[in-house]
Amino acid sequence: NAGVMQNPRHLVRRRGQEARLRCSPMKGHSHVYWYRQLPEEGLKFMVYLQKENIIDESGMPKERFSAEFPKEGPSILRIQQVVRGDSAAYFCASSPMAGGANVLTFGAGSRLTVL
Amino acid sequence: AQSVTQPDIHITVSEGASLELRCNYSYGATPYLFWYVQSPGQGLQLLLKYFSGDTLVQGIKGFEAEFKRSQSSFNLRKPSVHWSDAAEYFCAVGGDTGTASKLTFGTGTRLQVTL
Repeated sequence: NAGVMQNPRHLVRRRGQEARLRCSPMKGHSHVYWYRQLPEEGLKFMVYLQKENIIDESGMPKERFSAEFPKEGPSILRIQQVVRGDSAAYFCASSPMAGGANVLTFGAGSRLTVL
Repeated sequence: AQSVTQPDIHITVSEGASLELRCNYSYGATPYLFWYVQSPGQGLQLLLKYFSGDTLVQGIKGFEAEFKRSQSSFNLRKPSVHWSDAAEYFCAVGGDTGTASKLTFGTGTRLQVTL
């Protein structure tokens, strides 16, 4: 019973390159959330997706960031033309249902370093 | 807008001593409250949650937390700390906003345990 799987665990990119982070939710979970943790800060909500739908992207930066959760395969968080300020840990979480009375299971995170 | 305040950035306790980590929240309706723990380089693990009912909730690893509506607090406690409890602790609040499980996290409290 694997948990939330994220890869890569560590990613190094140069400024201007693209970063792709992948997240496979727990078995039976169809709701995926992405959070970003900047150094010395708490987690900040970015986006909430269900299969093939973006439900809430109110935390996503307006440019360069996108997310998808296709019918088949993992959820992808894509950052185009990365800048140094994108260096952070990106956490994915999943849950089996919608609603606030719901527990999110987090992955181990993907740590992006932009040189 | 919902928010979480963890006033203590860093706490040091001796092994065997009691622990209390403070958490204050702001939320317009009945909140769902969580405590997560993060070990260095790892993801977040759920310690305990409050949805409704008994305001004193028990979690894993001997932790408990008490929901006090009048004080908008959800402090985490442990009667006797072990060296393995050294980690970062995050309080989070969510609710039935329709966009499920969109948690707001505090900035965290880093716990150091001295032997």
